[in-house]
Amino acid sequence: EVQLVQSGGDLVQSGGSLRLSCAASGFTFSNYWMSWARQAPGKGLEWVANINQDGSEKYYVDSVKGRFTISRDNAKNSLYLQMTSLRAGDTALYYCATGRRLGPCWGQGTLVTVSS
Amino acid sequence: DVVLTQSPLSLPVTLGQPASISCRSSQSLVSSDGNTYLNWFQQRPGQSPRRLIYKVSNRDSGVPDRFSGSGSGTDFTLKISRVEAEDVGVYYCMQGTHWPPVTFGGGTKVDIK
Repeated sequence: EVQLVQSGGDLVQSGGSLRLSCAASGFTFSNYWMSWARQAPGKGLEWVANINQDGSEKYYVDSVKGRFTISRDNAKNSLYLQMTSLRAGDTALYYCATGRRLGPCWGQGTLVTVSS
Repeated sequence: DVVLTQSPLSLPVTLGQPASISCRSSQSLVSSDGNTYLNWFQQRPGQSPRRLIYKVSNRDSGVPDRFSGSGSGTDFTLKISRVEAEDVGVYYCMQGTHWPPVTFGGGTKVDIK
């Protein structure tokens, strides 16, 4: 069974940092692009970043460029999102998903709350 | 960035009746590779999004055949032939043709009358 299990969400102060993790199982992780998306409370979905199979290509939504870094460890079947200089506007439920265009498998979400 | 406009914002439906959601793009979603990367997602209350349809009209594994997608260019539609109680939730269209960024429509909330 394809599964993405997320961790790392927390309450953090404005300006702080946090690293989200996404552990993959049930498929050959190293063969797939992976993505992060987020959903602010009561709002719609927003794509955040994606990364290719070997980590050599990374793309970000403009609002997080220079602050967030997507990475992966294919030996550990894991995807990461390092978030720095966090702002109140980054408060959201963060999802990892398979594919460069947000494919069929999504994680359960992890909540990041940034307090001012 | 590509803007996707969904309508209606809210869709009260009667069980067993059809439902239709529109998604219009600010530019053509036909890719240089000939594909149209327009997907539909369902998000039930309290759950992660679930992809229902990819590349306009292809149903994902396990998606009931009462869901169908159609359209071309800039106009797309998600149809539910007979709404069931489990279909309550918010539906989003998403384009992956002109990325980055991948963009979503604002969502359509489907509930039961």
